[in-house]
Amino acid sequence: DARVTQTPRHKVTEMGQEVTMRCQPILGHNTVFWYRQTMMQGLELLAYFRNRAPLDDSGMPKDRFSAEMPDATLATLKIQPSEPRDSAVYFCASGLTHLSQGVYEQFFGPGTRLTVL
Amino acid sequence: ELKVEQNPLFLSMQEGKNYTIYCNYSTTSDRLYWYRQDPGKSLESLFVLLSNGAVKQEGRLMASLDTKARLSTLHITAAVHDLSATYFCAVIKLSGTYKYIFGTGTRLKVLA
Repeated sequence: DARVTQTPRHKVTEMGQEVTMRCQPILGHNTVFWYRQTMMQGLELLAYFRNRAPLDDSGMPKDRFSAEMPDATLATLKIQPSEPRDSAVYFCASGLTHLSQGVYEQFFGPGTRLTVL
Repeated sequence: ELKVEQNPLFLSMQEGKNYTIYCNYSTTSDRLYWYRQDPGKSLESLFVLLSNGAVKQEGRLMASLDTKARLSTLHITAAVHDLSATYFCAVIKLSGTYKYIFGTGTRLKVLA
């Protein structure tokens, strides 16, 4: 049963600390998305990668957030330093891009619930 | 800029009733998706609608797409409590950065 996995599932940290969230996309998927979900802003796209290359990170605060794909099986989202306003659920999703067809469907991971005190 | 609006934002309905959730988008889109999210859970894909007039059904849910009106509907037939969740629509434009744009979500509560 192929699934997107994310770790940790929950994270509580203090303001100013570094937070790293990890995502393992479904094997064979070449596109990875990072989303943030809050009650106020809803679901926001932070960044996404295709074939490990960042395609769009315009939704991500550049001064404190960074996203990488060290290899095809791992995507990371890092916040340094973290702030209380970063408290949210962070979802990773993966999909398979076919040439000009884009990603037919994306599959979401279980999310990381981040609380910054 | 592609924008997606859903209405209503909140919906409380009695079991056995029918209702429709609407998803409007601002510019031409190549595909439309519907997702379900249970409280504290992830998003689960329900439907992918590819072309004008597309209709898909799964159980008590039926989704349709009118690309001319830039409108998709999610119709609930004879609602049951298990359908209580938040429903999102999302659109994608197959040009530029191929970003998915999500609607605000409709929180549905089915009362027994």
